Amino acid sequence: GDSVTQMEGPVTLSEEAFLTINCTYTATGYPSLFWYVQYPGEGLQLLLKATKADDKGSNKGFEATYRKETTSFHLEKGSVQVSDSAVYFCAFRSGSARQLTFGSGTQLTVLP
Amino acid sequence: KAGVTQTPRYLIKTRGQQVTLSCSPISGHRSVSWYQQTPGQGLQFLFEYFSETQRNKGNFPGRFSGRQFSNSRSEMNVSTLELGDSALYLCASSLSSTNTDTQYFGPGTRLTVL
Repeated sequence: GDSVTQMEGPVTLSEEAFLTINCTYTATGYPSLFWYVQYPGEGLQLLLKATKADDKGSNKGFEATYRKETTSFHLEKGSVQVSDSAVYFCAFRSGSARQLTFGSGTQLTVLP
Repeated sequence: KAGVTQTPRYLIKTRGQQVTLSCSPISGHRSVSWYQQTPGQGLQFLFEYFSETQRNKGNFPGRFSGRQFSNSRSEMNVSTLELGDSALYLCASSLSSTNTDTQYFGPGTRLTVL
């Protein structure tokens, strides 16, 4: 069935370090792919999205490229800040299923 | 433009009671979806409404129900509450219900069942 496999956390980095959070998906059809971020006590905020193969989504220094051949949508940022500390969720919408299917989330902590 | 609003933000109920949660979507959005977030199960889809019609339903018991009004506002109801219903309930709205549409989330309602 449809699913998202996301890198296990927690991840702890020093400020200005490089970030990669791996995400792979199993979906029917041609899904749209999303990264959401959740700060403590809040709902989910859209970070970026890509709707077709080879699209690159980007926002606030974060990037992810839709790789159809490897069914992946890895999140990257070149230099993380303390304010990036949050939980990151990879998700997709596919085919006739209109709902978002989420990964389990990756807790990121950035230390000064 | 105002974001998705959910009321109340926090609720405490006891087992066996029922509860109604409310969601107001972003102005102009016609699709509203509900999700349950728990530490053990993560984010799980409950149901989606579009133009007052339920379009899709997740794998939850019939105690969970919802509806959407003509102004696109939505409510979800949980009857005969169980301890396992304690969760953060998130509402999300989008312009339509196509796969490319972005769902925008509200802050959630934190439900605690004692």
